[in-house]
Formats: sequence, C-alpha cells, structure tokens
Amino acid sequence: EAAVTQSPRNKVAVTGGKVTLSCNQTNNHNNMYWYRQDTGHGLRLIHYSYGAGSTEKGDIPDGYKASRPSQENFSLILELATPSQTSVYFCASGDAGGRGQDTQYFGPGTRLLVL
Amino acid sequence: TQTVSQSDAHVTVFEGDSVELRCNYSYGGSIYLSWYIQHHGHGLQFLLKYYSGNPVVQGVNGFEAEFSKSDSSFHLRKASVHWSDSAVYFCAVSPPNTGKLTFGDGTVLTVKP
Repeated sequence: EAAVTQSPRNKVAVTGGKVTLSCNQTNNHNNMYWYRQDTGHGLRLIHYSYGAGSTEKGDIPDGYKASRPSQENFSLILELATPSQTSVYFCASGDAGGRGQDTQYFGPGTRLLVL
Repeated sequence: TQTVSQSDAHVTVFEGDSVELRCNYSYGGSIYLSWYIQHHGHGLQFLLKYYSGNPVVQGVNGFEAEFSKSDSSFHLRKASVHWSDSAVYFCAVSPPNTGKLTFGDGTVLTVKP
C-alpha cells in the first residue's frame, strides 16, 4: 500500500507539448514537493506546497507550474516541454515535524523523455 | 544559501566491512541534517536526521551519523555492511522551519560479496 504514488511512470513527450505529472499521497501530510533528478546528481526542488490551494517556487521553477487541488494530489505541469526537461521527476510528501523539518516520503519517480 | 558536499562519488567495500560516507555542509546558522538512501530504480527513503542534542544519531538498518559543528560535517557510518546496502546515499540539509531540502550529489555505495 504505497503511500506516495506517481503517474505516469514513464512518459515520452514532444517539444512544445504540454505534460502533466500527477502525484497522490495517502499519508495525510500537509507538505508536498516536486523534484527532478538528473544523472549523477542529487535532487533539485522545483515546486512545493504547504497545503491544498498553495504552491511555492522551489530552487528551479522556470518552465514548470504546480497545482495542489486537494490534500492528496499535487501536479507538476510543463506547459511547453523542452528537451532540457528530460529527467526523472520525484514527488514527496512531508510530515512537517514540530521543529519545521519534514521527514519526506518519496514516490517511485516518473521518467520523462522530451523529444 | 546552504550547500552540501559529498566528496566521494563512489565507495566500494566488501560485505562485513565498516563504511563511512562523508557529508560536509555550509550554512550560517542552525540547520537540519539528514540522510536518504535510493535503491536503483526507486525513490528515496529516509534514514536518519539531526538538529540538536546528542551528535550521534541512530537510523534504520544499523546506520548512524555523527554531527560535527567544528568540521561542518554529518558523516554516515555502518559497522558491518550487507550486500543489500548497495545503493546511492544522499545527504541533505534544511534551514529550520522551511521543510525545504537541499541534497548533495550522492555517493554510490557498492558492497561486494
């Protein structure tokens, strides 16, 4: 019973096309995050959310939008996909511990190829 | 702005050996430190974290990490590794009250039988 799921798991898109990556969590966590991971590197934060209706820019938000319509769902939207956005995307939810730092729980990732 | 450095891109040991994976950070104030593990083809899983108190923190599966303010380090250790510990290990830092993690580039640990 995976607590953070992502769909699709693999996606091939064309340059200039719109891509929506979806994330669902059953942890009842307030915080959710979108990261990308490129080969040989750690994760970089794209957008995050503190709850339904809220989205915040992370460290590399350019070219991405996010949507948090409910506690459970957090989407990442590429309005005009480019080959530089080829990557593996991870969603995470966070338990926002009392001192402010989440322990984050990650989904399995979505592998996106933009041709 | 905080930064994280994992100086060893690859570490190879034999089953039963001890291992230390290094993490150094830079930040001007108090900071949360954590380690995550990523098995091939999977998302990251939390191992342990530190903010204050005892500088040695215990995590899952026999892992522990030690914080050193003087060295700006948070190295991960395990006394006796198993082949299943082969994975990529990420150190991460987060300023208080943000929830935002900054990751290092990761260390690939290979455990040979």
